[in-house]
Amino acid sequence: NAGVMQNPRHLVRRRGQEARLRCSPMKGHSHVYWYRQLPEEGLKFMVYLQKENIIDESGMPKERFSAEFPKEGPSILRIQQVVRGDSAAYFCASSPNLDTQYFGPGTRLTVL
Amino acid sequence: GENVEQHPSTLSVQEGDSAVIKCTYSDSASNYFPWYKQELGKRPQLIIDIRSNVGEKKDQRIAVTLNKTAKHFSLHITETQPEDSAVYFCAASSVNTNAGKSTFGDGTTLTVKP
Repeated sequence: NAGVMQNPRHLVRRRGQEARLRCSPMKGHSHVYWYRQLPEEGLKFMVYLQKENIIDESGMPKERFSAEFPKEGPSILRIQQVVRGDSAAYFCASSPNLDTQYFGPGTRLTVL
Repeated sequence: GENVEQHPSTLSVQEGDSAVIKCTYSDSASNYFPWYKQELGKRPQLIIDIRSNVGEKKDQRIAVTLNKTAKHFSLHITETQPEDSAVYFCAASSVNTNAGKSTFGDGTTLTVKP
């Protein structure tokens, strides 16, 4: 059973561009969570999704950020018009239920 | 919402000594408490977890204790080894609600000196 997959692993964008981060959960997992981690800081919750539904987006900025988890395909975290402050590692985690979460390798976003 | 505080932020021990990391949480509805280990540049990896219906859980050199009344839980690592050096995060979540999001502590950087 493959683990949680994320791509790309590294992403460089210039200010004002769009960033798309993908997350494929483990097989059989229907719960996906996105977290942001700034250098030498902890993990901050952004959004929790189930298939085709956003359950909790309380940690996600209301502007420029959006997330989806379609019926088919990976979950996508989209950041429009990126700014330097968006530079961080973005981790997704998946879960078969509502407790144990398994993390992907992360996408390290650098905004120039 | 939930608030998790973790102490200490850094911890240095000699190889073979024990290490203890403590976390407190604020939401009495929280009932699931995982601990993650994150090595530099790597993903957080679950090392042990505990649910609110038990007070202690052990897995080889790692143990976790939970005090629901005081709302705190601790990670204990015995006979530490250099490869235990990493950042450790505690987390708390309520799995009875349709949320399941985890609130993480700010992490403890553990250094085990050979």
